[in-house]
Amino acid sequence: EDKVVQSPLSLVVHEGDTVTLNCSYEVTNFRSLLWYKQEKKAPTFLFMLTSSGIEKKSGRLSSILDKKELFSILNITATQTGDSAVYLCAVQEGNKLVFGAGTILRVKS
Amino acid sequence: DADVTQTPRNRITKTGKRIMLECSQTKGHDRMYWYRQDPGLGLRLIYYSFDVKDINKGEISDGYSVSRQAQAKFSLSLESAIPNQTALYFCATREASTDTQYFGPGTRLTVL
Repeated sequence: EDKVVQSPLSLVVHEGDTVTLNCSYEVTNFRSLLWYKQEKKAPTFLFMLTSSGIEKKSGRLSSILDKKELFSILNITATQTGDSAVYLCAVQEGNKLVFGAGTILRVKS
Repeated sequence: DADVTQTPRNRITKTGKRIMLECSQTKGHDRMYWYRQDPGLGLRLIYYSFDVKDINKGEISDGYSVSRQAQAKFSLSLESAIPNQTALYFCATREASTDTQYFGPGTRLTVL
């Protein structure tokens, strides 16, 4: 059975801290790995990763994929209260997107 | 205007009632999806469609049906709602050339 596991399930940090969110996967027909941020309702797209070792960056957020070890990390540097959200990892397996349960991040001021 | 819209945004209904959730998109994408989200379980795929003649079951299709009325419209029906269908429901779209899905604002459904 396809599986996407995120860790930690939740964490609380202070503004300015750096956080690393983890996503490991086991799927039979991997195409890509995607990260989404979900604040109040709809998930919004952050990154799509298809190749190992190539870092994607957007401002204070960055992500990298390791297809040999079957995991990805999402880094957020200099966290702000606006980064508080659920971060979802999803793997495109064939025609379907398989989601992890998410990591709840709370950034305290 | 939002690219992916869902109606209604909130709905409370009773066990046994038939419910339809609607999704419309202006992105011109062929592929559309319905998910449900429950606390601690992430998003799970209910149905997906690659065009108006192509409907596919997802991970948890039992108790649900869908209709793809046009490229831009994809509806989800609960024929006889039950309490464990209480959840947040999302519609999403994707163009064929990329894996990125774009989500609607969600419908919060409560079945009493």
